[in-house]
Amino acid sequence: QKEVEQDPGPLSVPEGAIVSLNCTYSNSAFQYFMWYRQYSRKGPELLMYTYSSGNKEDGRFTAQVDKSSKYISLFIRDSQPSDSATYLCAMSNYGQNFVFGPGTRLSVLP
Amino acid sequence: EAGVVQSPRYKIIEKKQPVAFWCNPISGHNTLYWYLQNLGQGPELLIRYENEEAVDDSQLPKDRFSAERLKGVDSTLKIQPAELGDSAVYLCASSLEGMGGSAELFFGEGSRLTVL
Repeated sequence: QKEVEQDPGPLSVPEGAIVSLNCTYSNSAFQYFMWYRQYSRKGPELLMYTYSSGNKEDGRFTAQVDKSSKYISLFIRDSQPSDSATYLCAMSNYGQNFVFGPGTRLSVLP
Repeated sequence: EAGVVQSPRYKIIEKKQPVAFWCNPISGHNTLYWYLQNLGQGPELLIRYENEEAVDDSQLPKDRFSAERLKGVDSTLKIQPAELGDSAVYLCASSLEGMGGSAELFFGEGSRLTVL
């Protein structure tokens, strides 16, 4: 079993749809949970950052962490074609090493 | 403020040839990472530096890979000799460790290696 699991997609949705992206993990020591967005042939860039359990909202993006279930989610409201990218979840234990999921490829169709 | 700079962006070599990648992190960032990203996969850590010290190189294949970070700023990752399976994107990232633990990783655009 991999330390972080993520559905690779691809996921195609129409413009304006609500998108739900998810990751599960096995290491209960993870405390920091992140979502990175990666456009084709670019490096990942941080979207959302959450410490421990709970929700965090930033504009159209909401991150949720459920440590009891070892499950994290990213919701994108009113999705736009510019949201088309690969979304990587990442986790770390007190900022030591970051473990990434394999990424979910998202396409938002106009 | 300039981001993480990597070069070259693309490199094509024949197997058994050497190759080197260079990374210039964000000014003031004390932690530097080299990651390997295969197609359809997330980044996997090769080595992490805190200032000049390699604090985690457990995943670096030391028979053919080497890295250095002179003066705690720029870093070079070398492969010698390259194998077909080394074809991938090599990502450099930097961070500024702050109080409370985890810090944001800033990535460069990556160096895409093709080994023929």
